[in-house]
Amino acid sequence: ETGVTQTPRHLVMGMTNKKSLKCEQHLGHNAMYWYKQSAKKPLELMFVYSLEERVENNSVPSRFSPECPNSSHLFLHLHTLQPEDSALYLCASSQLGMGRGEAFFGQGTRLTVV
Amino acid sequence: AQKVTQAQTEISVVEKEDVTLDCVYETRDTTYYLFWYKQPPSGELVFLIRRNSFDEQNEISGRYSWNFQKSTSSFNFTITASQVVDSAVYFCALTLLSSGGSYIPTFGRGTSLIVHP
Repeated sequence: ETGVTQTPRHLVMGMTNKKSLKCEQHLGHNAMYWYKQSAKKPLELMFVYSLEERVENNSVPSRFSPECPNSSHLFLHLHTLQPEDSALYLCASSQLGMGRGEAFFGQGTRLTVV
Repeated sequence: AQKVTQAQTEISVVEKEDVTLDCVYETRDTTYYLFWYKQPPSGELVFLIRRNSFDEQNEISGRYSWNFQKSTSSFNFTITASQVVDSAVYFCALTLLSSGGSYIPTFGRGTSLIVHP
């Protein structure tokens, strides 16, 4: 099984819908991240959870709401999105502390807002 | 704050050519990790290599090689005898190792490599 799994892989939603993106990691890591990747733009860090507590929120609009119920799961709840929110949303995890190392990424959710 | 610069936005080569992707980083910390990731069309970022700031040995893995030079703050990536399957976006990234430093990866903007048959 892959280290970081994201579902769904593709999502089309209307601007009035509410949906959630799910990320699950099987690596025993203690930090998880949401990144947004839009066409022709660099990777944008959205949220970071360390030991299940949110430690960073890079001024993301409130229509994006993260949830980290435990160290293995991370959600991104979406509501009343805008067309410019269409992008690839990537989840990642890494290990903090003495053994800190590389981030492992999921395959992403391709989101289209119509 | 740290910064990673990948000045090459897109590189186009013909199969079997060698190609080097540049990465220049900035940090005031003396202890850090540098990484390269590959993002194929499927979307996920695939980890390729990690190098810590104390280890300046160059590394070779098959057709891939990495040249880490602290004196110029560069961590360049060379693909020898490129193949069509190497076509992807490649990202360079940096995290800090010090206890007060940011463990959150800082990514460059990526270099899109297109290998033509």
